[in-house]
Amino acid sequence: DGGITQSPKYLFRKEGQNVTLSCEQNLNHDAMYWYRQDPGQGLRLIYYSQIVNDFQKGDIAEGYSVSREKKESFPLTVTSAQKNPTAFYLCATTSAILGTDTQYFGPGTRLTVL
Amino acid sequence: GENVEQHPSTLSVQEGDSAVIKCTYSDSASNYFPWYKQELGKRPQLIIDIRSNVGEKKDQRIAVTLNKTAKHFSLHITETQPEDSAVYFCAADTGKLIFGQGTTLQVKP
Repeated sequence: DGGITQSPKYLFRKEGQNVTLSCEQNLNHDAMYWYRQDPGQGLRLIYYSQIVNDFQKGDIAEGYSVSREKKESFPLTVTSAQKNPTAFYLCATTSAILGTDTQYFGPGTRLTVL
Repeated sequence: GENVEQHPSTLSVQEGDSAVIKCTYSDSASNYFPWYKQELGKRPQLIIDIRSNVGEKKDQRIAVTLNKTAKHFSLHITETQPEDSAVYFCAADTGKLIFGQGTTLQVKP
């Protein structure tokens, strides 16, 4: 888990603003994921990427965008089209080496809309 | 679509008692089932996982059982301690992880 960093830890956004959440990993993992967690709820998949320059929508992609230009980085942009973005955002990575699909999570970013 | 149901949503036990959390999944092709523990404000941490080619796995006070025919799997925590208090999530891998809604476990001293 220490090989995955997310920044910032807390983020405040005004309505109508786009904000970008950072996720970096030094684990040499191929796949990266973004989840959203609302209070008292489970984790919902926003976007995921299995290789550089390729990504797929998850269950709640509307209002979000991503890029995967480098293996180590998978930033998430929360756009003004996301009407209720206040949540805890978690980035995760997976390595398929040795047949494990274990996902490791970063420390998260708590986004609040003012 | 793929779905994972988790029960109960909250569980309160006395220290030293056992706790059991159950999950059912819909996609029979699922072959990997991890369990995560999440303390308040922190990231989920993997505590145990099981693959579809085994029926049970133990790690000290924690065990997971899998019934592929019935498409359900369970987490068993024995001799619970106050530090076991957290939210626990099950998940099933259908090509991507589908998470249950979580169980808030409270262990009373």
